[in-house]
Amino acid sequence: KAGVTQTPRYLIKTRGQQVTLSCSPISGHRSVSWYQQTPGQGLQFLFEYFSETQRNKGNFPGRFSGRQFSNSRSEMNVSTLELGDSALYLCASSLFYSNTGELFFGEGSRLTVL
Amino acid sequence: AQKITQTQPGMFVQEKEAVTLDCTYDTSDQSYGLFWYKQPSSGEMIFLIYQGSYDEQNATEGRYSLNFQKARKSANLVISASQLGDSAMYFCAMREGAGNNRKLIWGLGTSLAVNP
Repeated sequence: KAGVTQTPRYLIKTRGQQVTLSCSPISGHRSVSWYQQTPGQGLQFLFEYFSETQRNKGNFPGRFSGRQFSNSRSEMNVSTLELGDSALYLCASSLFYSNTGELFFGEGSRLTVL
Repeated sequence: AQKITQTQPGMFVQEKEAVTLDCTYDTSDQSYGLFWYKQPSSGEMIFLIYQGSYDEQNATEGRYSLNFQKARKSANLVISASQLGDSAMYFCAMREGAGNNRKLIWGLGTSLAVNP
């Protein structure tokens, strides 16, 4: 079956702009989690959505937001981009929420902020 | 303090040899889970193996095994018979918390290079 699909794979933005990233989970999976990965901080949890509801949230400023649609596809948005937002953004889907089961990851969206 | 510590930023191993990647963790939960993921250069995180805190036997999945030493709070990954395709970043993660507050906490990873 198709894996987790993230778009776009690469993007370049400038400071102050906003960006929207998309994630299509594995068919049947209702949980989508987002992570930010940087060399210095590793993987940091952003938020998790299950059945269109945010179930869990990490310690990121309000500039980072997300949503999930009825077909389980999810988007995350970062407004007023800062240089430090440059990172690989990974999406993971799962059958169950709250990290109960195995997470299946996409290949990520690599964001560069200039 | 780091909850997941991977002390080896980089490791080298000869093809066909075994290699151990270290992971120590810190939690006060009685029930927790430990995961290992592999991240090749493509970026995708690939699940390798899972060990629950109450599992008495070490987990194994093909060439991967997890050396779980609960008292020492270590969960080392052992890869037997290394292959060139094993070259990647390897991440140890711990699931702790309960109910809606379960979180996955990640180590900073170990870069493994398999030499021919």
